[in-house]
Amino acid sequence: QSVLTQPPSASGTPGQRVTISCSGSSSNIGNNNYVYWYQQLPGTAPKLLIYKNNQRPSGVPDRFSGSKSGTSASLAISGLRSEDEADYYCAAWDDSLSGRVFGGGTKLTVL
Amino acid sequence: EVQLVESGGALVKPGGSLRLSCATSGFSFNDAWMSWVRQAPGKGLEWVGRIKRKIDGGTTDFAAPVKGRFTISRDDSKDTLYLQMNSLKTEDTAVYYCTTDHSWGQGTLVTVSS
Repeated sequence: QSVLTQPPSASGTPGQRVTISCSGSSSNIGNNNYVYWYQQLPGTAPKLLIYKNNQRPSGVPDRFSGSKSGTSASLAISGLRSEDEADYYCAAWDDSLSGRVFGGGTKLTVL
Repeated sequence: EVQLVESGGALVKPGGSLRLSCATSGFSFNDAWMSWVRQAPGKGLEWVGRIKRKIDGGTTDFAAPVKGRFTISRDDSKDTLYLQMNSLKTEDTAVYYCTTDHSWGQGTLVTVSS
């Protein structure tokens, strides 16, 4: 059971917009801790998509966006492409655990 | 270009020890807080622990499952991060990644099995 809760799966067709939610608590997302989002393609290391809730590293397309409200965060992917098929993870620092926590991951399928 | 290259993964028996290394380049290692994250086969990401930079005290934090068994250290003169793993258990089997939270290495596989 992960401290951050994500839906195990999501899907969409090419060109669609999909969102992936990440639900936390007052000790992590809700306590002003930044949310990070990672993309993991099959057989590869995670790659940073979003940092500090809504910031995109250079090289990440603006089709990817992040938001945060209260104890939850979301990753939105617009103009869905086949190469977006991957696992997506949210992460944040948890002050009660004094450690970083990850969501369980969401497997995105592009139909 | 930022590079992190883990090494040291191996097959080890339960109760054994192993030290992983993460050689880095392309950024100011001495200025970075560094972490280890692991991923068991077919499972999600799990934070293992982190070490702060020396000017912030160089202190470490660990996840509950590894606290007391794992230690993290750094050699800023070599731009290298270490993970010392003792009293290994079968549930420690995973790919271990070093990360700055932004950049990640390719991972090294640790298998704990008799």
